[in-house]
Amino acid sequence: KNEVEQSPQNLTAQEGEFITINCSYSVGISALHWLQQHPGGGIVSLFMLSSGKKKHGRLIATINIQEKHSSLHITASHPRDSAVYICAVQIGADGLTFGKGTHLIIQP
Amino acid sequence: KAGVTQTPRYLIKTRGQQVTLSCSPISGHRSVSWYQQTPGQGLQFLFEYFSETQRNKGNFPGRFSGRQFSNSRSEMNVSTLELGDSALYLCASSLEGSIYGYTFGSGTRLTVV
Repeated sequence: KNEVEQSPQNLTAQEGEFITINCSYSVGISALHWLQQHPGGGIVSLFMLSSGKKKHGRLIATINIQEKHSSLHITASHPRDSAVYICAVQIGADGLTFGKGTHLIIQP
Repeated sequence: KAGVTQTPRYLIKTRGQQVTLSCSPISGHRSVSWYQQTPGQGLQFLFEYFSETQRNKGNFPGRFSGRQFSNSRSEMNVSTLELGDSALYLCASSLEGSIYGYTFGSGTRLTVV
C-alpha cells in the first residue's frame, strides 16, 4: 500500500519568507502532483512531476525519484499564498493517492 | 475557455435517499475522475472514466457508482445515503498524455441529515 506523508502539517510564516513543504512516498510512482486548496474547497493543480524540477513564478517543485521525495518551495511568500498544499502520487495508471495536506498561513 | 463545471454546488439529502452529481469537463478532455474529501479521511479517489469506460476504481462500497457519456460529461451516483457520505465531492478532467495534470471543478458539498 502506498503511503504519502507530508511535512509539516501546519506552517505559519512571515511575508517574504522562503517556504518549503515536503512530501515522501513509499512505492515507485509514475507522477507526483502538487495541488493548492483555498478555503471554500476549490483545488488548483500547481505541478505534475515525474522527474527533476519545475518552476512557475515564485513556486518551485522538485522530485528525487531514488529517495522517493518531493519538495514544494515558495519564494518571497505572500499572504495570498495562504492555503492548504496537497501532495498526490500516481502509480502507473491508477487513481491518485493523497497526502493529508500542509496548512500554510503567511502573515503580513 | 470554460473550466470544469460541477452541479449542484450544494445539496442536502436525507439518510437512505440517493443522489446524482454532475461534472462537465473541459472541452476536449476525455478523462474524468471523482474524489471525496472529508475532514477525517482527506481526499480519496473514487473512480476514473475515459471514453465512457471506467478505467479505475477506488476503495469505496458499491453504493458509489458513476458513468460517462459520449460528450465526456460524467455523473456519479450514491445510493442509500449514510451520514458518513457527507463530504465535498470533486471531479477533475485531464487531457490524455498532458504534462499539465488535472483541472478540478469547484466541487459539490453534500450534507446528509
